[in-house]
Amino acid sequence: DSGVTQTPKHLITATGQRVTLRCSPRSGDLSVYWYQQSLDQGLQFLIQYYNGEERAKGNILERFSAQQFPDLHSELNLSSLELGDSALYFCASSVDRVDMRYNEQFFGPGTRLTVL
Amino acid sequence: DQQVKQNSPSLSVQEGRISILNCDYTNSMFDYFLWYKKYPAEGPTFLISISSIKDKNEDGRFTVFLNKSAKHLSLHIVPSQPGDSAVYFCAASASLSGGGADGLTFGKGTHLIIQP
Repeated sequence: DSGVTQTPKHLITATGQRVTLRCSPRSGDLSVYWYQQSLDQGLQFLIQYYNGEERAKGNILERFSAQQFPDLHSELNLSSLELGDSALYFCASSVDRVDMRYNEQFFGPGTRLTVL
Repeated sequence: DQQVKQNSPSLSVQEGRISILNCDYTNSMFDYFLWYKKYPAEGPTFLISISSIKDKNEDGRFTVFLNKSAKHLSLHIVPSQPGDSAVYFCAASASLSGGGADGLTFGKGTHLIIQP
């Protein structure tokens, strides 16, 4: 158990809909990262938040957005869903202290999204 | 453009022998490298990491070697055990100019099978 929690575990929805995935980081971790794992693309970095602020962006579509709340939990919002958005979505967290240059990321169990 | 490559999709090793998993990268900005182990329907589990200022890091049965000039790293598992059977991902990140680290760039993974 990494200490990172994600809800829901599974989500089935239809094309054109909007969903919200939730992540709670490990206690004390300030950074939250979101990743998408699809069969053809592998694990891809989407976006990072640090202490409530967006810090880095990867291959995130404009239809997707995220935020990190004062209690440090994060939500990933996916809208106008397409069949190709079906994937596993992982959240990871790290300490990311200013005095530490290198930080391991610890992953949650993931949310499996199926778009029909 | 794959910046992190794991050229062996699968590897079969006898129990008790050494398992060697390889990874190559192209982005010279990467300064931190990690190995993760993953079972189906679970999140990646952090195994071991190495920063670019080192060429070797050991943790129990796991050793990671980094050859910066060749842009190559490898994970050695000695001795290999049946519980080591899983998919292993190599990942890399670059430091952000404002502090902290960017999201991880992952390879496609190597499926390690330990045979009794």
